[in-house]
Amino acid sequence: GAGVSQSPSNKVTEKGKDVELRCDPISGHTALYWYRQSLGQGLEFLIYFQGNSAPDKSGLPSDRFSAERTGGSVSTLTIQRTQQEDSAVYLCASSLAAGDGTGELFFGEGSRLTVL
Amino acid sequence: QKEVEQNSGPLSVPEGAIASLNCTYSDRVSQSFFWYRQYSGKSPELIMSIYSNGDKEDGRFTAQLNKASQYVSLLIRDSQPSDSATYLCAVDSKLTFGKGITLSVRP
Repeated sequence: GAGVSQSPSNKVTEKGKDVELRCDPISGHTALYWYRQSLGQGLEFLIYFQGNSAPDKSGLPSDRFSAERTGGSVSTLTIQRTQQEDSAVYLCASSLAAGDGTGELFFGEGSRLTVL
Repeated sequence: QKEVEQNSGPLSVPEGAIASLNCTYSDRVSQSFFWYRQYSGKSPELIMSIYSNGDKEDGRFTAQLNKASQYVSLLIRDSQPSDSATYLCAVDSKLTFGKGITLSVRP
């Protein structure tokens, strides 16, 4: 596709349920990032994938959060036993990473998660 | 842990004025600095990147970097109502973002 694609665009779930958010990066981009943005806040780094290297999971807020990237392309962010504080917009971005990963990030439109 | 601070704001300027947006960072070895613009309800988009001390100009936008002071700024000349948005400062790989400064340009 032409840009980063995320689905679903909106997700409403009940507390305690599991959710999966999907990101399809720009073709050829080796780096993929997940961020979380709560209302009126900046972007909180969650996890970073670069090629075949082990992902940087240092931003995941708890063990209820996990992410995988299959075949170096599509990524899925899973939140287990969702809590109300998980409500936020989850943004995925990809980039043509070089070396340490600096470079322009291209963001998807985000997945807005609401936990009731 | 890397920190990026954007403490000023929200900022309101009249149309045609210069808007000055500031950002400080904590990791002295940071090498890459970025300004992203985020319109309400939209995703961030890159508007400026800077890697060396000094100024970098692109149209009405100028990024300024001072590594000794660990300070990066964005100047917007001849501000337009269409510049009204939140501006996010980002630093280095994994791109640690500040909380953003909301700019409003009054017609």
